[in-house]
Amino acid sequence: SYVLTQSPSVSVAPGQTATITCGGNNIGSKSVHWSRQKPGQAPVLVVYDDSDRPSGIPERFSGSNSGNTATLTISRVEAGDEADYYCHVWDSRSNHVVFGGGTKLTVL
Amino acid sequence: QVQLVESGGGVVQPGRSLRLSCVASGFTLSPYGMHWVRQAPGKGLEWVAVMWYDGSDEYYADSVKGRFSISRDNPKNTLYLQMSGLRADDTAVYYCARGVYSNGWYPDFWGHGTLVTVSS
Repeated sequence: SYVLTQSPSVSVAPGQTATITCGGNNIGSKSVHWSRQKPGQAPVLVVYDDSDRPSGIPERFSGSNSGNTATLTISRVEAGDEADYYCHVWDSRSNHVVFGGGTKLTVL
Repeated sequence: QVQLVESGGGVVQPGRSLRLSCVASGFTLSPYGMHWVRQAPGKGLEWVAVMWYDGSDEYYADSVKGRFSISRDNPKNTLYLQMSGLRADDTAVYYCARGVYSNGWYPDFWGHGTLVTVSS
């Protein structure tokens, strides 16, 4: 089955840029989506189809995807960005959604 | 506004059954694939099942295949998850999520979840 690998945690100071990666075999050939989950809340989609933003998501959130790594970049990080971030893809071989293990973003 | 509201969770003994419901409002269920996703306490998200927009196809995670069944009633704007043979490791918050098609059905909007606790 397809596997997505995320670093467990990332820390960044306010105003800096956070980079969260998602590794998978030839992930560049798939559409990658990112969801944010704050404590006690439901997940919220922040990037879809590698680099598009749903309405209401700030331009500070951007994504890219190439080769074996997809990346979520959060510019000018704010305290309110502190959350768990999950990458996910559709595995067409199994018709399953696959989630990465999640990355906890801490704002110092 | 767009809402998904899950219900039916609770405490259940191992081996018993439970049915979860998810009612959609603010949009029509019929064009969308629908997912169930769960999250065990302190753990990450785990995809459970998906049903095609018209109910023509469904797929399950290996961990629940043969025990769980997803269904939908489009006129009632409602999604279901029938769970049987429940085990302690099925304890989790269960989210329903709307699926949009783009090279596959990806979750684009989530409900707030319902907690299922499997314990004797």
